[in-house]
Amino acid sequence: GQNIDQPTEMTATEGAIVQINCTYQTSGFNGLFWYQQHAGEAPTFLSYNVLDGLEEKGRFSSFLSRSKGYSYLLLKELQMKDSASYLCAGMDSNYQLIWGAGTKLIIKP
Amino acid sequence: IAGITQAPTSQILAAGRRMTLRCTQDMRHNAMYWYRQDLGLGLRLIHYSNTAGTTGKGEVPDGYSVSRANTDDFPLTLASAVPSQTSVYFCASSGSGTGGNEQFFGPGTRLTVL
Repeated sequence: GQNIDQPTEMTATEGAIVQINCTYQTSGFNGLFWYQQHAGEAPTFLSYNVLDGLEEKGRFSSFLSRSKGYSYLLLKELQMKDSASYLCAGMDSNYQLIWGAGTKLIIKP
Repeated sequence: IAGITQAPTSQILAAGRRMTLRCTQDMRHNAMYWYRQDLGLGLRLIHYSNTAGTTGKGEVPDGYSVSRANTDDFPLTLASAVPSQTSVYFCASSGSGTGGNEQFFGPGTRLTVL
């Protein structure tokens, strides 16, 4: 079966660094996406990885290891506005996204 | 319009009633999707369309139907609503149904079926 696993909730301090992990099992693999979703709002795209390694985009970075079926999202210099849910999604062989339940990130001052 | 719009924003519906959720995009994207999002679960794909005139079933299609008469519009119809269809519904679009194209999401429709 297809499955995406990520922690339900994480807490971090403003200004710190947090890493949100995601493991995936998909039928075929066409990349790994991360989205941010603030409460009551739509998901918005953060990153896409299809090759192994780290992709850096400002304060956010995303890592992929295809051999381990593993990805993480790294958020640096946390700000209060980063309080949101972070959704991991794997794209399968039919180019459909399989979504994790999301990780709710709570930022404390 | 800029991006994707959905209507209505929210709706309370009696069980057994028919309901159409509307979705319109102005980005000339080929692919469009309907998802439902329930607490504690990931987004689940209901139906999709890779191009105008074609549709396909996703993970949870039962009780829902879609049409794609043109590029911009992708309505989702609940023929006879049931309480288990209470959810937040998101429409999304991407440039193509293949490849690593990001999906852009509409603001969502919160549907309650009583």
